[in-house]
Amino acid sequence: GENVEQHPSTLSVQEGDSAVIKCTYSDSASNYFPWYKQELGKGPQLIIDIRSNVGEKKDQRIAVTLNKTAKHFSLHITETQPEDSAVYFCAASILRNTGFQKLVFGTGTRLLVSP
Amino acid sequence: KAGVTQTPRYLIKTRGQQVTLSCSPISGHRSVSWYQQTPGQGLQFLFEYFSETQRNKGNFPGRFSGRQFSNSRSEMNVSTLELGDSALYLCASSWDTPSSGNTIYFGEGSWLTVV
Repeated sequence: GENVEQHPSTLSVQEGDSAVIKCTYSDSASNYFPWYKQELGKGPQLIIDIRSNVGEKKDQRIAVTLNKTAKHFSLHITETQPEDSAVYFCAASILRNTGFQKLVFGTGTRLLVSP
Repeated sequence: KAGVTQTPRYLIKTRGQQVTLSCSPISGHRSVSWYQQTPGQGLQFLFEYFSETQRNKGNFPGRFSGRQFSNSRSEMNVSTLELGDSALYLCASSWDTPSSGNTIYFGEGSWLTVV
């Protein structure tokens, strides 16, 4: 089955710096790659997602890139702010015509942004 | 627009007891899935329901079960609780149509502690 590896497990940056989190997946059939942000005591919040027919997607300070050949995708956060501090999870899934999808998650990256 | 609502938010149970957790999906969402989150195993897929039918199940023992009602609300049940069942149980919902993108939204979770 699908396996998703995520690095690094912890990442400390200064406010204003950029942060990059990388994930690799094993199942070449995976075609949907969401990223979630989880704050302490809360559920995962979708921040951005990308489908396999797109190589890059950007939403303000957040961007995701996908390399299907290498089977890896990355989250890029620019101009980090203290409120970006949280645990970030990548996930991979196979979208079918039936609609069902099971998300396979990475192990998470704890991002700490220091003022 | 209300998000995914889970009840109860916190509960403590004794080993051997059973527990039922409830989830109300976002209005109009037809697919409801459940995930278990623990520090050791991360986020793991339990099962997914659509139109009151379980479409897929993760690798969990039969003590874990669920159901979905005609209004898409869902419940999950864990019988004969073990200490290792202590976790954050997350419910997620989606439109489940390819045209809508199948974005999965999570609730805040139910924190279960087994003593």
